[in-house]
Amino acid sequence: DAMVIQNPRYQVTQFGKPVTLSCSQTLNHNVMYWYQQKSSQAPKLLFHYYDKDFNNEADTPDNFQSRRPNTSFCFLDIRSPGLGDAAMYLCATSKGAGSVSEQFFGPGTRLTVL
Amino acid sequence: KNEVEQSPQNLTAQEGEFITINCSYSVGISALHWLQQHPGGGIVSLFMLSSGKKKHGRLIATINIQEKHSSLHITASHPRDSAVYICAVRGSGGSNYKLTFGKGTLLTVNP
Repeated sequence: DAMVIQNPRYQVTQFGKPVTLSCSQTLNHNVMYWYQQKSSQAPKLLFHYYDKDFNNEADTPDNFQSRRPNTSFCFLDIRSPGLGDAAMYLCATSKGAGSVSEQFFGPGTRLTVL
Repeated sequence: KNEVEQSPQNLTAQEGEFITINCSYSVGISALHWLQQHPGGGIVSLFMLSSGKKKHGRLIATINIQEKHSSLHITASHPRDSAVYICAVRGSGGSNYKLTFGKGTLLTVNP
């Protein structure tokens, strides 16, 4: 009955080697979010999609890109991972962006950069 | 000063104890979330509140909009409740898609 699925759960990549993280949802929600959570820190919103509309946070580095080919899937691309990009990456969804829209989180992908 | 403050930062309890975690916020909000995160794990949404009180099993969440304060209570705590509990608020107006997170409360329940 998984609702927000993230693959892989653990990803190891080399410094500078592009990596793609995947998120899918069975909730048919309009909004999908990507968060970065570093150790012992609060999650930080990178960007979100409202349907096909992409919304980038002002302080998200250009190294991070996202694609949403359809309602169910959203991808996070890290073009040239640095050591500082090692973190847990969380995907979340919500039906809308209004006050009644609860966010549902996936289990996360833990990224290690060697 | 963080917009969302949680207390305590760390809490150790014995199995069976009643637990309270507090959250105060300084901005106007449209909703407040309580989230649970086990060490190294993903986030589970426990509650979303905009007023009053909600109960789910042994968990109770309350919010006082006037005082900008919310509490999460756990009755009859159990070692499996050990986790980080995070308060997050959703802004009002144009930024109401964003969650602002507290730093979390690490709860350890000993058998």
